[in-house]
Amino acid sequence: QKEVEQNSGPLSVPEGAIASLNCTYSDRGSQSFFWYRQYSGKSPELIMFIYSNGDKEDGRFTAQLNKASQYVSLLIRDSQPSDSATYLCAVNMRNSGNTPLVFGKGTRLSVIA
Amino acid sequence: GAVVSQHPSRVICKSGTSVKIECRSLDFQATTMFWYRQFPKQSLMLMATSNEGSKATYEQGVEKDKFLINHASLTLSTLTVTSAHPEDSSFYICSARDPDLYTEAFFGQGTRLTVV
Repeated sequence: QKEVEQNSGPLSVPEGAIASLNCTYSDRGSQSFFWYRQYSGKSPELIMFIYSNGDKEDGRFTAQLNKASQYVSLLIRDSQPSDSATYLCAVNMRNSGNTPLVFGKGTRLSVIA
Repeated sequence: GAVVSQHPSRVICKSGTSVKIECRSLDFQATTMFWYRQFPKQSLMLMATSNEGSKATYEQGVEKDKFLINHASLTLSTLTVTSAHPEDSSFYICSARDPDLYTEAFFGQGTRLTVV
């Protein structure tokens, strides 16, 4: 069964700290990986995607991918209270645009001012 | 980036009535769209995959006769909740992927359904 696992949290970090969100996936053949942020009562919005092993940085966000370990993470530097949300990891387990991404259950992040 | 528009954003209906939710891809042709349901503080649950010009594929446990999906064009999929009951109250979200790009899923704004 294709699975994406995330710690549900809540993960609490003080304002200004680094928040580290982790995700593992079951299908070794997975090609692309996405991080979405979802505020309460809103639909998910894309933060970052990553296809290759290593790090990818975009502003305060860094996605890290290790395909050998089947592990992807998201680092949020200088965390702000506005970053408080649920973060969803999603994996494309088939190299097709017509299949749904497989989502983890999300990690709830709380940034304390 | 690609945009998916969902309407209405919020609807209240009486028990026993039907509600239709529309999902449109605005700048790409979506041969496939996806419908999710999310209860408060729960994760996204895939309900069905909507295929243009053919029958939808429902996930296990989702009643196809209750949640009617129509994908009559390359830019529009509709979800009709028939004979709605209070337990159907939820946040319904559609998404679509641009089949030419193999990229992320784009989500509609979601529809908050309340059945009274």
